Amino acid sequence: QVQLQESGPGLVKPSETLSLTCTVSGGSISSYYWNWIRQPPGKGLEWMGNIYYSGSTNYNPSLKSRVTISVDTSKNRFSLNLSSVTAADTAVYYCAREVRGNVDSWGQGTLVTVSS
Amino acid sequence: ETTLTQSPAFMSATPGDKVNISCKASQDIDDDMNWYQQKPGEAAIFIIQEATTLVPGIPPRFSGSGYGTDFTLTINNIESEDAAYYFCLQHDNFPRTFGQGTKVEIK
Repeated sequence: QVQLQESGPGLVKPSETLSLTCTVSGGSISSYYWNWIRQPPGKGLEWMGNIYYSGSTNYNPSLKSRVTISVDTSKNRFSLNLSSVTAADTAVYYCAREVRGNVDSWGQGTLVTVSS
Repeated sequence: ETTLTQSPAFMSATPGDKVNISCKASQDIDDDMNWYQQKPGEAAIFIIQEATTLVPGIPPRFSGSGYGTDFTLTINNIESEDAAYYFCLQHDNFPRTFGQGTKVEIK
């Protein structure tokens, strides 16, 4: 059974870049899409974007100018960069696998706080 | 962008109750609707795919219905372990969008 684990700094300063990595275990990163999703405290879930193992991406237009998702198949992991962060980017960030359009496996999430 | 309106935001049920959670899409999304269960600090669990198909390993008291714009997650004979946050996700178009979620409490 595939497992996903988010990792990265829990605190980021305003205007800096938030960087997270999702490590995939129990399965190959190849042949699937890989997603980043976030949930601000007390709010709903927001899809940020996804990447195919080959590198093609889809991004949420609301974030498109600030978000970059990349994949490293040699390390079986993929990453999120979100630039120019503000307090509004404080959220629990989740990575998730997508199979034939269905998001079927999620990480536990990691809280990232944007604060000076 | 497809807006998903999920209701109710909160519900309290007694063991054995039948629970319905609604998710209405702002445009036709065929059957491209999924449902998930999430408990605090845990990864979300995929419970219903393509609006009506139970994901393998999920108890049959969970079921999904609907097509187009109106969808429902039903939990029959609810159990204490079903206390959780439930949410819907559409994968018909980009950007993917979610319902606002329903917190289910068991009395």
